[in-house]
This record gives sequence, structure tokens and C-alpha cells, in this order.
Amino acid sequence: KAGVTQTPRYLIKTRGQQVTLSCSPISGHRSVSWYQQTPGQGLQFLFEYFSETQRNKGNFPGRFSGRQFSNSRSEMNVSTLELGDSALYLCASSLGGYNTEAFFGQGTRLTVV
Amino acid sequence: AQSVTQLGSHVSVSEGALVLLRCNYSSSVPPYLFWYVQYPNQGLQLLLKYTSAATLVKGINGFEAEFKKSETSFHLTKPSAHMSDAAEYFCAVSDPTNAGKSTFGDGTTLTVKP
Repeated sequence: KAGVTQTPRYLIKTRGQQVTLSCSPISGHRSVSWYQQTPGQGLQFLFEYFSETQRNKGNFPGRFSGRQFSNSRSEMNVSTLELGDSALYLCASSLGGYNTEAFFGQGTRLTVV
Repeated sequence: AQSVTQLGSHVSVSEGALVLLRCNYSSSVPPYLFWYVQYPNQGLQLLLKYTSAATLVKGINGFEAEFKKSETSFHLTKPSAHMSDAAEYFCAVSDPTNAGKSTFGDGTTLTVKP
């Protein structure tokens, strides 16, 4: 069974640009969550999509957005990039229930210069 | 609202020594608790989970955790540390009233000395 795939693995962008990250979940998983991980802030929850609907949202500005397609693949978009957006962005998929574990991708390392 | 506190951002043990990573949770309803491990430049991987079936939960790589309701704790232990255990460990709580939302602790970095 293929795991969670995130693309690209590494990305370098300039301040003010926008970026789109992609996540392909495990087959059969309908929930996809996104996290931002930085050394100072730890693992911060961005949002969760379930069956193409945003079901949960963290405390991030509107520059961070996402969507989920009918095949459960998800994209995350960050507009008007800031230096502080440099982080490891992790995607996790699950069956979607509260007692199911999350399966994480290897992440996308975004560097904003 | 659920919350998780991991005591100690860094823990160092000698190879062969006991590993104890602490996690306390706050929850208004019976929680579902998880421990994940993250190796450098990798995503998180599930070590074990508590879902109320048994208070002592055994996971992969020789790790186990005990759920103690009276202490609101879910500490992770391993009797004998191995060099390959060096990683960052995260405790997480899942909200039964809000499916799909998990809250993670700040993580504990485990160093294993030879």
C-alpha cells in the first residue's frame, strides 16, 4: 500500500510569491490534514479536509488556504509569502474518525528568501 | 478543548538505559491518545495509540505507554534505549467531539549516548 506522498520535497521561493503544495493520501483515506512545523513553534495545525469539505481550521491567516479534490488529493496554497513561512509542511491522511491514527508524508521543506 | 503537555523538550539517556518521555493531557471527555516518532527530515510515524481497550499499550520498536486517568498522563517508556531510538517524539490527543482534529504536544527530542 503506497504511503502519503507530498510534492515537491523541497522548495525555495521569494518573499511576496505564492506557492502550492500537493498531498496524495493513502488510498481509501478521506481525511487530509496539514501542519506547519518550525523549530520555534513546533507542530501547528493548519486545516483538515474531509470528503472535499474543510472540516477543521487552525489559527493561521487567510494567506493559507487549501482544497481537496474528489480523489481525496489535497493542495495547500500560501499567497504573499513571508520569511516566517519558511517551515516543513506536513500532510497527514486518515480514515477520518477521532480514533484513527494519522499517516504522515515526508513533508515539503519550504524556504522563503 | 483538548490539550497536551510534554514535560521536557530534551531528554538524554545512555544506551541500554530506561527511556521515559512524559505526556499529560487535558480533556473534557475520554480521550484518544497517540505517540508518534519523527526521524530527521521525515514525517511522523505512529508508535502506539490508546483507544480505551487497555490502559497499557504496546507499540512498535519496544515502546509502551500507560494511560493513567487519575494522573491525566500517558507517558512513553522503553526498558532499554538503543542508538536508533534517537529522534523527536510527539504525544497527541484526538478530540472525540471533533473528528479529524488532533492536538500535538511540542515534542521531546531524545538523545541516546553510547
